[in-house]
Amino acid sequence: GENVEQHPSTLSVQEGDSAVIKCTYSDSASNYFPWYKQELGKRPQLIIDIRSNVGEKKDQRIAVTLNKTAKHFSLHITETQPEDSAVYFCAASILEAGNMLTFGGGTRLMVKP
Amino acid sequence: GAGVSQTPSNKVTEKGKYVELRCDPISGHTALYWYRQSLGQGPEFLIYFQGTGAADDSGLPNDRFFAVRPEGSVSTLKIQRTERGDSAVYLCASSWAGPTEAFFGQGTRLTVV
Repeated sequence: GENVEQHPSTLSVQEGDSAVIKCTYSDSASNYFPWYKQELGKRPQLIIDIRSNVGEKKDQRIAVTLNKTAKHFSLHITETQPEDSAVYFCAASILEAGNMLTFGGGTRLMVKP
Repeated sequence: GAGVSQTPSNKVTEKGKYVELRCDPISGHTALYWYRQSLGQGPEFLIYFQGTGAADDSGLPNDRFFAVRPEGSVSTLKIQRTERGDSAVYLCASSWAGPTEAFFGQGTRLTVV
């Protein structure tokens, strides 16, 4: 089955700096890669996703890149703000096979004001 | 309702007891998923329903775990003879038919004492 590795497990940045979180996956059939933000005690919320037919997607301060050959994808947050502090999870799935998500272990991002 | 609703939000039970966790998906969503999230880890897939049937239950850890969705809407996750290792947050997610974004509920925090 699919295995998703996520790094780093914790990341501390100064407000205004950029943050990058990286994930690798094992199943070359995976074609959907969402990123979820989870604040303490709250539900995971989708912040951006990418499908395997594109290499990059951007939404304001957030961007995701995908390298299918190397089987890795990354989340980039620019101009970080204290409210970006949370745990971020990457995930992978095969959309046509039911979209059951395999999650990475999470990255705790701390943005220091 | 506006989002995925899970009840109860917290459940404390004694080892060996039976528990039921309820998920009320977004109206019209035919796909429903159960995940389990242990402290400091990413959610792990348990079971996926498409309509009333369990399309994939490969994530259920053992035969003490069972889930139903008799009318294709509300789902109940049932755990028999609970063990302390079952303590976790149980998350439910739903989505439209086909490959689309999954929306998560707030989860039920289960504590087995």
